[in-house]
Amino acid sequence: NAGVMQNPRHLVRRRGQEARLRCSPMKGHSHVYWYRQLPEEGLKFMVYLQKENIIDESGMPKERFSAEFPKEGPSILRIQQVVRGDSAAYFCASSPNRNQPQHFGDGTRLSIL
Amino acid sequence: GQNIDQPTEMTATEGAIVQINCTYQTSGFNGLFWYQQHAGEAPTFLSYNVLDGLEEKGRFSSFLSRSKGYSYLLLKELQMKDSASYLCAVRANAGGTSYGKLTFGQGTILTVHP
Repeated sequence: NAGVMQNPRHLVRRRGQEARLRCSPMKGHSHVYWYRQLPEEGLKFMVYLQKENIIDESGMPKERFSAEFPKEGPSILRIQQVVRGDSAAYFCASSPNRNQPQHFGDGTRLSIL
Repeated sequence: GQNIDQPTEMTATEGAIVQINCTYQTSGFNGLFWYQQHAGEAPTFLSYNVLDGLEEKGRFSSFLSRSKGYSYLLLKELQMKDSASYLCAVRANAGGTSYGKLTFGQGTILTVHP
């Protein structure tokens, strides 16, 4: 039973480029959450999605960041015109419903040159 | 808003018992979760409490007192592999749009010595 799959594991981008991070939830899970972990800091909530719907995006910056979870395919976190401050580990988690514990993927480590 | 506090670091000896405390202040509460995170890896779910009391899962137990805004994670028979960061997280009240998301503390780095 595969866990939450994130790719790529590592992503390097130059300032001004776009970064696309992918997350496939565990089988049977339709709720997806994105978190960001900056060096030496705790996990910070970004966005919560359920198939085709954004439920809560209160933790996501209004500019340059967007997320989607289409009917078919993985959830995508997209960062446009990346800046040095976007360097972080981005974790995706999923759950079968919002009452159950969230299970995390291995994360994508984004480095901005 | 939500505020979650836990000690930054703790040390313990292999075979011993350690208790990691977490206090929280929230505008709404619907569950407290504990995760383990080894450096460079994903957080791994350990346990959660919604009601007051103790939940036991093998060597790990978690306790919750909602009236005191307090929880602890108890690790017994410590092993070297238990050296990791332990994250306390709170879920908001049901019914609002924020229900579902977790708010994490900074994490407690536990070092187990031989």
